[in-house]
Amino acid sequence: DTGVSQNPRHKITKRGQNVTFRCDPISEHNRLYWYRQTLGQGPEFLTYFQNEAQLEKSRLLSDRFSAERPKGSFSTLEIQRTEQGDSAMYLCASSLVMGDQETQYFGPGTRLLVL
Amino acid sequence: QKEVEQDPGPLSVPEGAIVSLNCTYSNSAFQYFMWYRQYSRKGPELLMYTYSSGNKEDGRFTAQVDKSSKYISLFIRDSQPSDSATYLCAIDAGKSTFGDGTTLTVKP
Repeated sequence: DTGVSQNPRHKITKRGQNVTFRCDPISEHNRLYWYRQTLGQGPEFLTYFQNEAQLEKSRLLSDRFSAERPKGSFSTLEIQRTEQGDSAMYLCASSLVMGDQETQYFGPGTRLLVL
Repeated sequence: QKEVEQDPGPLSVPEGAIVSLNCTYSNSAFQYFMWYRQYSRKGPELLMYTYSSGNKEDGRFTAQVDKSSKYISLFIRDSQPSDSATYLCAIDAGKSTFGDGTTLTVKP
């Protein structure tokens, strides 16, 4: 257990429904990342926050995806109008940046299946 | 061409063998190199973190970075069945770029 928690761990939904995932990072960590991982692939960067500010979004993140990190604590990732291609593991990672050193700790992931 | 290419595997070795896992990358600006271990249906777990070129050893694990060749390796000595997992290389701290992983099976 890395100290990063994600909920729910599994989600099955029908195409067109909205889903929301939550990530609780390690409390003193100031950065939070979202990645997506499909079977047989490595994680792909989606977006990240420095405290409450969303600093970068990948081109993979279509306008159906939105992420928030209110008050710089937990984060949510919402997918609207889900599509079958959204089926994947959604991973959250948090890190503490100290100078030029940064180490990410990943949560267990939320596995999404869109039927 | 992907920014990070990883030997795809899968790899199956007997217990006690030395395992070599390898990645190449394309962007010479990268400075930070990581190896993660991922068990089935779990999140990646950081194993090794290396800055710039050289070797880094931690117990049975040695990470090697050759920036001139843009090549990184992870060696596992005296491999154990508990080492059976998917190993992911990753480049750059923070917004990391990952390889697609090599699945390793260590047979008792």
